Amino acid sequence: SQKIEQNSEALNIQEGKTATLTCNYTNYSPAYLQWYRQDPGRGPVFLLLIRENEKEKRKERLKVTFDTTLKQSLFHITASQPADSATYLCALYNNNDMRFGAGTRLTVKP
Amino acid sequence: EPEVTQTPSHQVTQMGQEVILRCVPISNHLYFYWYRQILGQKVEFLVSFYNNEISEKSEIFDDQFSVERPDGSNFTLKIRSTKLEDSAMYFCASRDRANSRNSPLHFGNGTRLTVT
Repeated sequence: SQKIEQNSEALNIQEGKTATLTCNYTNYSPAYLQWYRQDPGRGPVFLLLIRENEKEKRKERLKVTFDTTLKQSLFHITASQPADSATYLCALYNNNDMRFGAGTRLTVKP
Repeated sequence: EPEVTQTPSHQVTQMGQEVILRCVPISNHLYFYWYRQILGQKVEFLVSFYNNEISEKSEIFDDQFSVERPDGSNFTLKIRSTKLEDSAMYFCASRDRANSRNSPLHFGNGTRLTVT
């Protein structure tokens, strides 16, 4: 069956450090992988998309990698800030419908 | 920036009652979705809607659920006879390009449904 798995339920780091979140998938052959941010009580918000032929994508302090051999994406937040505290979701299309991982809850402590 | 709007933000209903959750997707978008998130759990796909018909639906979307686009702007989710386990946050989402797996979803801020 298809699975999207994200590492650990919660990640706590100190302000200024780099947060690294993992997304592994099974039985998908994605051409694209997306990352979203979700704050409590709010809908997910799109952050970044990476294509299968891109090894790495950057946007400000965010960096995403995509390894289709390992079936894995890594999501990095550099110079993390308390405002980065949220749940981060990995997402893939299943046919035309997007499916989400369970998310990793990141807490950045001042 | 255009946004997806959902009403009401919170709906309380008694078990067995019908509820209709409403969404106004972004105006030029073509694909519409409903997702559900039970408290503390993952965002789960319910149904997608394109060209005035259901495109895909999950095993959660049984005969108690229906969707409709009654006019050019609204997109609704109806639960015919609510159960306690229907209590969740329901998110509407839309995207702008058909058959394109690189278009992101735009979500509303959800309707929290509480079934008592």
